[in-house]
Amino acid sequence: GAVVSQHPSWVICKSGTSVKIECRSLDFQATTMFWYRQFPKQSLMLMATSNEGSKATYEQGVEKDKFLINHASLTLSTLTVTSAHPEDSSFYICSATTTGGYTFGSGTRLTVV
Amino acid sequence: KNQVEQSPQSLIILEGKNCTLQCNYTVSPFSNLRWYKQDTGRGPVSLTIMTFSENTKSNGRYTATLDADTKQSSLHITASQLSDSASYICVVSAKQAGTALIFGKGTTLSVSS
Repeated sequence: GAVVSQHPSWVICKSGTSVKIECRSLDFQATTMFWYRQFPKQSLMLMATSNEGSKATYEQGVEKDKFLINHASLTLSTLTVTSAHPEDSSFYICSATTTGGYTFGSGTRLTVV
Repeated sequence: KNQVEQSPQSLIILEGKNCTLQCNYTVSPFSNLRWYKQDTGRGPVSLTIMTFSENTKSNGRYTATLDADTKQSSLHITASQLSDSASYICVVSAKQAGTALIFGKGTTLSVSS
């Protein structure tokens, strides 16, 4: 079946630095990918919709200058958390639409210290 | 307001026992309903997807039901195994332009020996 690969699985960074998370569709082309954020014991919250070759669409309340999304190819979308702060610590998950529905990446645990 | 409510919030059962998780939704217009299994620190993995006309769908020991009239769904797990310990998320999709996935908060299932 369709596989979405997400890297890294976990990352620890210092406050003020930037972190890039990659999301790749391994055996299919994904014109649209989605980025979610999940806090402990909470639902996945959609942050933005990433469109290949065009600007991402951000959900209300999500700072586009802080969470930079690039979808330069049909198989790769990246989320960069810029000038990270401890409150950005969370679990970030990407997904892509496939013929079978939505396939999710394995997630990235970001800890900002 | 489109919402998905799941119950119970958490559940502990003995290995080998059966259990049923509930999902009530107020999403309209309804497109489909999915159940996902999310292991701790991992992305969600699809278990079942049901459209308006489907009442029951099985995937191994997992059986999902859908009552579109009462807007309720259940996920029944038979002969539980330790590896079933995870969060089970109900996700309802609305028929509208763009992304319209509404996530429940999930039910955390713990299977003990």
